[in-house]
Amino acid sequence: ETGVTQTPRHLVMGMTNKKSLKCEQHLGHNAMYWYKQSAKKPLELMFVYNFKEQTENNSVPSRFSPECPNSSHLFLHLHTLQPEDSALYLCASSPRLGSYNEQFFGPGTRLTVL
Amino acid sequence: QQQVKQSPQSLIVQKGGISIINCAYENTAFDYFPWYQQFPGKGPALLIAIRPDVSEKKEGRFTISFNKSAKQFSLHIMDSQPGDSATYFCAASKGFGNEKLTFGTGTRLTIIP
Repeated sequence: ETGVTQTPRHLVMGMTNKKSLKCEQHLGHNAMYWYKQSAKKPLELMFVYNFKEQTENNSVPSRFSPECPNSSHLFLHLHTLQPEDSALYLCASSPRLGSYNEQFFGPGTRLTVL
Repeated sequence: QQQVKQSPQSLIVQKGGISIINCAYENTAFDYFPWYQQFPGKGPALLIAIRPDVSEKKEGRFTISFNKSAKQFSLHIMDSQPGDSATYFCAASKGFGNEKLTFGTGTRLTIIP
């Protein structure tokens, strides 16, 4: 596989469930990102990782917990979510931070919280 | 102010016509302005980007026009084709990196035959 892949593509969960979103990039990049995309809203940057270290947490509620075990994989652990958390969650990667590098996005996970 | 304001929200253009999407920003520290294209079921993909040292950048049928004094930039799609139907996002970032992209709300473009 090439590019940025995300699994699952669709997820329905109850407010008391615990689930995880997975992102994998096959581009040899060192920076990875989580974004939230809601209808009629700008893409919201949630977390940034650079060489496995978190460099940005954009005031995201603690019910979202990211994990970056290596530069190729990024997870978003979800627990006790709210219906307003329903959105498309996008993962992206770029060669590194600190330069005008293109961000490559995955197809996203469509999350519905009941 | 970190916002990037994008208009219109939706746009319908006839095949062969010119599609124009506009964005405005407040933060004068922004110095990188990319446009992303998103098809249904896909993530956004970089289409074209500009730095403020030039007023225009052209790649094929796609052109970014940049007006630094007005703090505005726009995407022009010449000879619009049905395959251009997608959602377009403008974005901006400041400093030496693009890790903190501030996105517009998106424009859904539909090209009709």
